[in-house]
Amino acid sequence: QKEVEQDPGPLSVPEGAIVSLNCTYSNSAFQYFMWYRQYSRKGPELLMYTYSSGNKEDGRFTAQVDKSSKYISLFIRDSQPSDSATYLCAMSGGATNKLIFGTGTLLAVQP
Amino acid sequence: DTGVSQNPRHKITKRGQNVTFRCDPISEHNRLYWYRQTLGQGPEFLTYFQNEAQLEKSRLLSDRFSAERPKGSFSTLEIQRTEQGDSAMYLCASSPGAQDEQYFGPGTRLTVT
Repeated sequence: QKEVEQDPGPLSVPEGAIVSLNCTYSNSAFQYFMWYRQYSRKGPELLMYTYSSGNKEDGRFTAQVDKSSKYISLFIRDSQPSDSATYLCAMSGGATNKLIFGTGTLLAVQP
Repeated sequence: DTGVSQNPRHKITKRGQNVTFRCDPISEHNRLYWYRQTLGQGPEFLTYFQNEAQLEKSRLLSDRFSAERPKGSFSTLEIQRTEQGDSAMYLCASSPGAQDEQYFGPGTRLTVT
């Protein structure tokens, strides 16, 4: 079993829809949780960075962390075609702070 | 632009050749990480530096791989005697400190023929 599980999709939604992306994890030592966006053949771009449980909002993006359920989510409101990309969840804990990634979810927003 | 930069962006090499990649982190970022990403997968940790010290290496980093960060600035990742299984995107990330967010470069795509 992988430490971080993420549905690879693809996920196709119409423009303007609310998108929900999720990851589950097994390592209770994880304390820092991130969402990255990656366009094809590009490096990952940091979208959200959260510590421990709770919600964080930034523009159209909301990140939620539920440590009791070992479950994290990213919500995208008013989705745009430019949001079409692969979304990677990542998490870390401990002195190394190395990131453990999910496989990524491929999102397509249809105009 | 003051983001993480990587060179070259794409490298094609024949099996058995040596290759070297370079990463320039964001200025004054103490931590530098190397990851490898294959198609359809998330990045996997390879190694990291705190300033010039290499503090951890993944079991993915075989003896053919070596990384350096002289003077705690840029870093190089060398792969000796490349194999077709080394074909991947090699990503570099930097962060200001131990528990801070990591910012990625554009990656170096390696193709071993």
